[in-house]
Amino acid sequence: AQKVTQAQTEISVVEKEDVTLDCVYETRDTTYYLFWYKQPPSGELVFLIRRNSFDEQNEISGRYSWNFQKSTSSFNFTITASQVVDSAVYFCALVLPEGGSEKLVFGKGTKLTVNP
Amino acid sequence: NAGVTQTPKFQVLKTGQSMTLQCAQDMNHNSMYWYRQDPGMGLRLIYYSASEGTTDKGEVPNGYNVSRLNKREFSLRLESAAPSQTSVYFCASSANRGRQPQHFGDGTRLSIL
Repeated sequence: AQKVTQAQTEISVVEKEDVTLDCVYETRDTTYYLFWYKQPPSGELVFLIRRNSFDEQNEISGRYSWNFQKSTSSFNFTITASQVVDSAVYFCALVLPEGGSEKLVFGKGTKLTVNP
Repeated sequence: NAGVTQTPKFQVLKTGQSMTLQCAQDMNHNSMYWYRQDPGMGLRLIYYSASEGTTDKGEVPNGYNVSRLNKREFSLRLESAAPSQTSVYFCASSANRGRQPQHFGDGTRLSIL
């Protein structure tokens, strides 16, 4: 079965701390895509990054970085020097190729609270 | 830039009532999706439309119907609302199938009494 596990339900840190959000996925497919989305308290969902299964390069975007490791089926997300504005629920998601119509399977999310 | 627009934003229904949630996107995307979000459950796919004229069931389709009215619009209908359908509903679209990033609407908060 294909699924995404975000074992950390809630994380609380103090501003300027680094924090890593874990994502472990399961799939039998060799071609797949992984995503991270952010849902701030206002409720909208914001796309952060997409990674395909053939590209294991780590990605850095400002204070955000992503570590994709196929050997451990993980796609972890690190926020460096966290800020209060980073407080949100973060979702990891996996695309399941199915009959030409690909569906996104989400993890249950990790709620990050950054305290001043 | 409107992106994905959902209406209404809030709604309260009584058990047994029917309702249609509307979704429209202005990005010329082929694929559209309906999700529900419940506390501790993440987002679960209800129905999706890979392209105009096609619809398919997702993970939790029971109690819902959808219509892809045209390329822009994808509606979700509750024929006989039940309290278990109390949730936040999100519509999303992507350029071409799920491998492309999905753009989400702001959600519809639906309460069924």
